[in-house]
Amino acid sequence: SQKIEQNSEALNIQEGKTATLTCNYTNYSPAYLQWYRQDPGRGPVFLLLIRENEKEKRKERLKVTFDTTLKQSLFHITASQPADSATYLCAPRNTGGFKTIFGAGTRLFVKA
Amino acid sequence: DTEVTQTPKHLVMGMTNKKSLKCEQHMGHRAMYWYKQKAKKPPELMFVYSYEKLSINESVPSRFSPECPNSSLLNLHLHALQPEDSALYLCASSQDTGTPNQPQHFGDGTRLSIL
Repeated sequence: SQKIEQNSEALNIQEGKTATLTCNYTNYSPAYLQWYRQDPGRGPVFLLLIRENEKEKRKERLKVTFDTTLKQSLFHITASQPADSATYLCAPRNTGGFKTIFGAGTRLFVKA
Repeated sequence: DTEVTQTPKHLVMGMTNKKSLKCEQHMGHRAMYWYKQKAKKPPELMFVYSYEKLSINESVPSRFSPECPNSSLLNLHLHALQPEDSALYLCASSQDTGTPNQPQHFGDGTRLSIL
């Protein structure tokens, strides 16, 4: 069955450092992979999308990589700030079909 | 503020009550979704509407009844819920369902508690 795995443990880092979050998937051949941010008590907010033929995508302090051979996406936040503290969800998407299935998410804490 | 508005923000109901959750978007999106999210878990898809027609029902119990009166509105009618149905119910919309690279826009959810 299809499986999406994200770091189950919370990630604690110091302000100013780079946070790296991992998303691994199995029994999946996604054409796209989306990353969302969710704050407590709020709905997820879309951050970035990367296509299977793109190795890397950047947006301001965010960078996403997509390795279809390793079946893995990495999500980086450079120069992290306490305001970056949230849960980050990955969501691989196949071409066609209506469903988005989310990974369990990684909780990030950035300490000042 | 999100572009998808959900009401009410909180709802407490007994197991015999009937209530409805409402969701509204004015972005011209033609796909709308209901998700259920338990604490420390990811959102789980319940229903998908595409062009106001139900496209996906993820084997959701019949005590949850979705309705899409028009392209901007999505309702979730609740009846005879169980305590395990207590969760955050999220509504989302996207441009349509045929382009998987389109992001979903989420509301902030209704926190539902069943007594």
